[in-house]
Amino acid sequence: AQSVTQPDIHITVSEGASLELRCNYSYGATPYLFWYVQSPGQGLQLLLKYFSGDTLVQGIKGFEAEFKRSQSSFNLRKPSVHWSDAAEYFCAVGAGGGGNKLTFGTGTQLKVEL
Amino acid sequence: EPEVTQTPSHQVTQMGQEVILRCVPISNHLYFYWYRQILGQKVEFLVSFYNNEISEKSEIFDDQFSVERPDGSNFTLKIRSTKLEDSAMYFCASSIQGGEQFFGPGTRLTVL
Repeated sequence: AQSVTQPDIHITVSEGASLELRCNYSYGATPYLFWYVQSPGQGLQLLLKYFSGDTLVQGIKGFEAEFKRSQSSFNLRKPSVHWSDAAEYFCAVGAGGGGNKLTFGTGTQLKVEL
Repeated sequence: EPEVTQTPSHQVTQMGQEVILRCVPISNHLYFYWYRQILGQKVEFLVSFYNNEISEKSEIFDDQFSVERPDGSNFTLKIRSTKLEDSAMYFCASSIQGGEQFFGPGTRLTVL
């Protein structure tokens, strides 16, 4: 069965500091990996995705993530955090085929100190 | 930019009542999904739907739940007899061909 672990429930960073959110997955084949962001009371917005190819993927809002098969990880990074990045971040894994479910992690709540 | 829409944004109902949550997926998408998020918890998969039938469902999606695509644009989730534990945010999503799923803003269901 597929699963996702996000070990950090809460993270606080200062504005302008770098950010790394951790994600580890369990999946039997080549995974499709995603990071979504959820602001309070809002839906889920896709930040970036990895299907295949280059293991470093770029997303919206200056985010990037690196797929490391040997570590079963897909960590999200941003070199300089802005106050508007405060939100909850979810890592998800899926099989990629049509109709296949996404399995989400428990999320990491990011707080940005000014 | 096309987006998934959901109505209503908030639904309050009494325990035992039936509710229908509505979604309009992105028009050229073929796969449709429902997820739910109980307050403070992670997003959980309920069901996926393709070609007018369920392609996968979770343990949560029991006989109290059903989905339907009644016309060419709407995708609905019906809960026949709501329970307190059905209170959650329900998200609809759609995709062209699996892979990336686009989520709607959600419907907050409150069962009293």
